Amino acid sequence: GNSVTQMEGPVTLSEEAFLTINCTYTATGYPSLFWYVQYPGEGLQLLLKATKADDKGSNKGFEATYRKETTSFHLEKGSVQVSDSAVYFCALSGDAGGTSYGKLTFGQGTILTVHP
Amino acid sequence: AAGVIQSPRHLIKEKRETATLKCYPIPRHDTVYWYQQGPGQDPQFLISFYEKMQSDKGSIPDRFSAQQFSDYHSELNMSSLELGDSALYFCASSFLVDRGTEAFFGQGTRLTVV
Repeated sequence: GNSVTQMEGPVTLSEEAFLTINCTYTATGYPSLFWYVQYPGEGLQLLLKATKADDKGSNKGFEATYRKETTSFHLEKGSVQVSDSAVYFCALSGDAGGTSYGKLTFGQGTILTVHP
Repeated sequence: AAGVIQSPRHLIKEKRETATLKCYPIPRHDTVYWYQQGPGQDPQFLISFYEKMQSDKGSIPDRFSAQQFSDYHSELNMSSLELGDSALYFCASSFLVDRGTEAFFGQGTRLTVV
């Protein structure tokens, strides 16, 4: 079955530091890959996505590239802000058609804390 | 813009009681997904509906059932509640399911079983 593995957390950084959160996946076929963010007491919000190999998703200074050869989708940001403090989930959806396209398998989540 | 609405936001029930969670998807969205997120855990897929028909099933206990109504809202019914059912329950909706479809999540219902 499908699975997603994220780097162990939590991650604590100072403002303006560089961020990398590693994500690798196991899936059959050609999954779509996502990063979701969860702020305290809130639901999950889509941060960025990529639907095929070598695609780069980007949003709000965050980037991730779909690497099929290494089955990875690492999240990066060049300069984090205090407001980026949240839980980040890597996720994938399958390609078996129908609602498998929207059914998400999540990684364990990484808690990011950014200090001023 | 309209978002996914879940109710109630918080629910406290005793063991062996029954709970009903409601989800109102974004207008014109035709697919609803339910997820369960335990404390410090990642969300786990429970069940999904497409055009009011059950389309996929995940790790949903037999004590739970769900349906989608003619107005597209969905309800998750949970019976014989156990302490381990305490979790955050998310509903998500999407439209025209295709590769890379974005699922929009509600704020969740926090269920506490005591």
